[in-house]
Amino acid sequence: DGGITQSPKYLFRKEGQNVTLSCEQNLNHDAMYWYRQDPGQGLRLIYYSQIVNDFQKGDIAEGYSVSREKKESFPLTVTSAQKNPTAFYLCASSIGGRSTDTQYFGPGTRLTVL
Amino acid sequence: AQSVTQLDSQVPVFEEAPVELRCNYSSSVSVYLFWYVQYPNQGLQLLLKYLSGSTLVKGINGFEAEFNKSQTSFHLRKPSVHISDTAEYFCAVSDNGGYGNKLVFGAGTILRVKS
Repeated sequence: DGGITQSPKYLFRKEGQNVTLSCEQNLNHDAMYWYRQDPGQGLRLIYYSQIVNDFQKGDIAEGYSVSREKKESFPLTVTSAQKNPTAFYLCASSIGGRSTDTQYFGPGTRLTVL
Repeated sequence: AQSVTQLDSQVPVFEEAPVELRCNYSSSVSVYLFWYVQYPNQGLQLLLKYLSGSTLVKGINGFEAEFNKSQTSFHLRKPSVHISDTAEYFCAVSDNGGYGNKLVFGAGTILRVKS
């Protein structure tokens, strides 16, 4: 079955540590996205990538980094510079980067900083 | 930049009653609108989308939405809800102001269906 997988489902991190969230898709989509979800705030865009080896900052990129070395993979690193990293992180993909292209979401990773 | 306002943070409703979840967006020349549903601790699933054409859009699970350009609204409706419709619903608009397909989301509306 085609889809988007995110791992792990739950992640705990100590303050001051970097952590990497995995996102893999087998939909052959060109574009991939990372969103952060906090209660009562909806989803906010962290980074997005339309093609391999290219990515752009979203609205809240500070304290995060990404790479796009393969079409199917778009890992997100939450660095120690992110001041409030506890949140639910969602990865998405779309067939292309047009505004009409539907974004499909993975199941999410819940990150908790201890 | 686009913005989306979901007017109700929570909507309680009894089973088999109709429901409307309200969504307003900021005006733009070209706008594409989406409704997603999220069940607890899961990702988002597309309910329906408006790209062009008929202003009444039908989606999955018996939901429909009406695009109203003059009122900049895209309200979601269902004539008879089930307990299984209890979830959080997000309205989103596609911001084509520059590079990439950037979705702007509302804050979400929690639909609570009571028996």
